[in-house]
Amino acid sequence: GAGVSQSPSNKVTEKGKDVELRCDPISGHTALYWYRQSLGQGLEFLIYFQGNSAPDKSGLPSDRFSAERTGGSVSTLTIQRTQQEDSAVYLCASSFETKSYNEQFFGPGTRLTVL
Amino acid sequence: GENVEQHPSTLSVQEGDSAVIKCTYSDSASNYFPWYKQELGKRPQLIIDIRSNVGEKKDQRIAVTLNKTAKHFSLHITETQPEDSAVYFCAARSAGNQFYFGTGTSLTVIP
Repeated sequence: GAGVSQSPSNKVTEKGKDVELRCDPISGHTALYWYRQSLGQGLEFLIYFQGNSAPDKSGLPSDRFSAERTGGSVSTLTIQRTQQEDSAVYLCASSFETKSYNEQFFGPGTRLTVL
Repeated sequence: GENVEQHPSTLSVQEGDSAVIKCTYSDSASNYFPWYKQELGKRPQLIIDIRSNVGEKKDQRIAVTLNKTAKHFSLHITETQPEDSAVYFCAARSAGNQFYFGTGTSLTVIP
């Protein structure tokens, strides 16, 4: 079946603008994760959803970041008033559920560039 | 929160030699430790994982060891091949189900 998809694949925006990133998980996967990967760096955990619920939002870098998931499927990550330091690749991953040892499958990422 | 450290940041080996990458973690409640391989421009892919109640796991040329007491785990690749060249990330899942990643090891296998 189809893997995790993300859109857009690339996004260039001006400082101060809002952006919305989208993730479509694998069908049937109840867990969904968002990560940020800066150039040459590891993956920074942002937030995860089990179903539509995000138990812990403390990984979000600032209050400009928010995420939601509706219908237990598609998730959007919104960054308001973007800053240059927000430039990175934003990766989404999904798995069957959070509490068991299920493999996370990653999407191709959205490369965000803030000018 | 959890803190994962990974060493070395870069590693070059001759084809056929072994490669070892080491990670440490800080939260003794972390219970699951996956390893990912990321080729240039591609998404991370799981190559092996280990649960906290297991000390070692092997899958063909790849093995992972876990020392819970010392809070460190390692990836071992034997008989390396050029296609093993990539960036490898370790990760630890906390009791709160967040995943914390190391900063990556860029492995180059020289033919």
